[in-house]
Amino acid sequence: AQKVTQAQTEISVVEKEDVTLDCVYETRDTTYYLFWYKQPPSGELVFLIRRNSFDEQNEISGRYSWNFQKSTSSFNFTITASQVVDSAVYFCALVGVFGKGTRLSVIA
Amino acid sequence: KAGVTQTPRYLIKTRGQQVTLSCSPISGHRSVSWYQQTPGQGLQFLFEYFSETQRNKGNFPGRFSGRQFSNSRSEMNVSTLELGDSALYLCASSLGSLWTGSAYEQYFGPGTRLTVT
Repeated sequence: AQKVTQAQTEISVVEKEDVTLDCVYETRDTTYYLFWYKQPPSGELVFLIRRNSFDEQNEISGRYSWNFQKSTSSFNFTITASQVVDSAVYFCALVGVFGKGTRLSVIA
Repeated sequence: KAGVTQTPRYLIKTRGQQVTLSCSPISGHRSVSWYQQTPGQGLQFLFEYFSETQRNKGNFPGRFSGRQFSNSRSEMNVSTLELGDSALYLCASSLGSLWTGSAYEQYFGPGTRLTVT
């Protein structure tokens, strides 16, 4: 069975701090896809990134970066110089299997 | 391009009743997935429809069912409602099926908040 664990339930940071959201997954598939989604307050889930299991290159998009490590079955998400607008619940997913999410609060 | 739309947005039902929720995917998307979101269990996959066929189903009782029409619009039905069915029901559309060789990213609607009293 597939499983995604986001051990951090809630994180609170002060604006401009860097923050890393952890994601650990379990799957027996050799080919698989991982995703991150953002759910802002009272908002819809928004797709952030998709990564397949054969591509272990880290990805950077503006202040966002993702670190995929097959050896530790982790797909962590870092926000650099966090902003208040980053406050949201972030979900890591293995296709349709979602972690329970990490609620990030960025305080001005 | 219009996003995923879900109707109704809010619904209050009584135990034992049934309910039908509707989802219109993004134009051109052929896959629709349904999720139940609750504070305790998080986001749980209900089922996915692609080309009018159910492609995968989560671990939910048979009271939860769905269908997809030829225009890719989808409906979800819950019969004999229980208090525990109170949740936000999310619909997500994607270009292709989630469970093929190339998993597609999903685009979510605003959800239907169902309250069962």
